[in-house]
Amino acid sequence: DIQLTQSPSFLSASVGDRVTITCRASQGISSYLAWYQQKPGKAPKLLIYAASTLQSGVPSRFSGSGSGTEFALTISSLQPEDFATYYCQQLNHYPRTFGQGTKVEIK
Amino acid sequence: QVQLQESGPGLVKPSETLSLTCTVSGGSISKYYGSWIRQPPGKGLEWIGYIFYSGSTNYNPSLKSRVTISVDTSKNQFSLTLSSVTAADTAVYYCARDAGYGDPFDYWGQGILVTVSS
Repeated sequence: DIQLTQSPSFLSASVGDRVTITCRASQGISSYLAWYQQKPGKAPKLLIYAASTLQSGVPSRFSGSGSGTEFALTISSLQPEDFATYYCQQLNHYPRTFGQGTKVEIK
Repeated sequence: QVQLQESGPGLVKPSETLSLTCTVSGGSISKYYGSWIRQPPGKGLEWIGYIFYSGSTNYNPSLKSRVTISVDTSKNQFSLTLSSVTAADTAVYYCARDAGYGDPFDYWGQGILVTVSS
């Protein structure tokens, strides 16, 4: 199985901050990576796929980068509605695997 | 707008079989893959497996011996059965859709909490 390691696991930030979450894959996955946002009691919501393609309707303050084994999700200016848990997922191999999650909380 | 909705019992006894159904509305499941994903309380996401509308399946090896996923295209539904459940199978179970290799889960159900307890 491909292991995905996110860092940090927990992040405390303020509204307006620039935030970056990284995801490292245990082997190369080209650009087959997605990012999801999950709020308490809700299903994950797709933000980015193919490492850097923004899903329709997702605000442009979200961006993704990387390929191979190193990836990043950046929020350029954190908004109140962005406080949530973020997961990366690899789409290159089965079984599909997710990172352990990064919880973004208000400082 | 495509919507997915999970249904089934919220409580299952240990050693019994968990059965859930995902109903897709607002679009046909044909040409798509339907997956099941679960999330134990306070923990991360685990992919259980998928079924293609044609009936082909792929399961997570960690659960393969206990999992069956089936599809009913006439009802626009796909279903999950998980046998011999234990407390470790207590989780929110989600169904989701993707278009195949390399594609993300673009639509998800709201999730259903299944508790394994006597």
